[in-house]
Amino acid sequence: AQRVTQPEKLLSVFKGAPVELKCNYSYSGSPELFWYVQYSRQRLQLLLRHISRESIKGFTADLNKGETSFHLKKPFAQEEDSAMYYCAPLLTGTASKLTFGTGTRLQVTL
Amino acid sequence: DGGITQSPKYLFRKEGQNVTLSCEQNLNHDAMYWYRQDPGQGLRLIYYSQIVNDFQKGDIAEGYSVSREKKESFPLTVTSAQKNPTAFYLCASSSTGGTEAFFGQGTRLTVV
Repeated sequence: AQRVTQPEKLLSVFKGAPVELKCNYSYSGSPELFWYVQYSRQRLQLLLRHISRESIKGFTADLNKGETSFHLKKPFAQEEDSAMYYCAPLLTGTASKLTFGTGTRLQVTL
Repeated sequence: DGGITQSPKYLFRKEGQNVTLSCEQNLNHDAMYWYRQDPGQGLRLIYYSQIVNDFQKGDIAEGYSVSREKKESFPLTVTSAQKNPTAFYLCASSSTGGTEAFFGQGTRLTVV
């Protein structure tokens, strides 16, 4: 069955500490993978996508096809990183289907 | 101003009534999506459409219906058959081919 798993509902870290938000997927084929973020009172928005291999707001995500994981990482957490983060696999083809994990709430405290 | 607009922001309905949520985009996107967001369950896909006059069921389509008569519009009807309709509903659109999805601000539906 096609599934995306974000095992942590809440991740609480201190400011300046490293962050790793986990995402594992189980999909046939090769989905494209995205991380979306929802800050308080803002719309859900794209944070980064795996094919671009870029760092956005200090976050990076490496696709590990062997482990079928796409963990989101940041070396030093900032208060403004507090938000809800969603891992999102996109199956492309005749009908592109964008699905989301259950999300992880990141709480950065002083 | 380009974007995706959902209306209304808040909606109250009596149990047993059908209700339609509006989603309009002027981004010239082919693909549109409807999600339901519940605490602890993330975003669950209700319906999606890649092209006008065509749409597919998502993971939780029961009790919902959609139409895609125009490229810019993808209304969602929550029918009386939906057993637990009170939720936050999000609409999104994207170009085809694995690109970024843009989201509306959502509609909070409360059924009493």
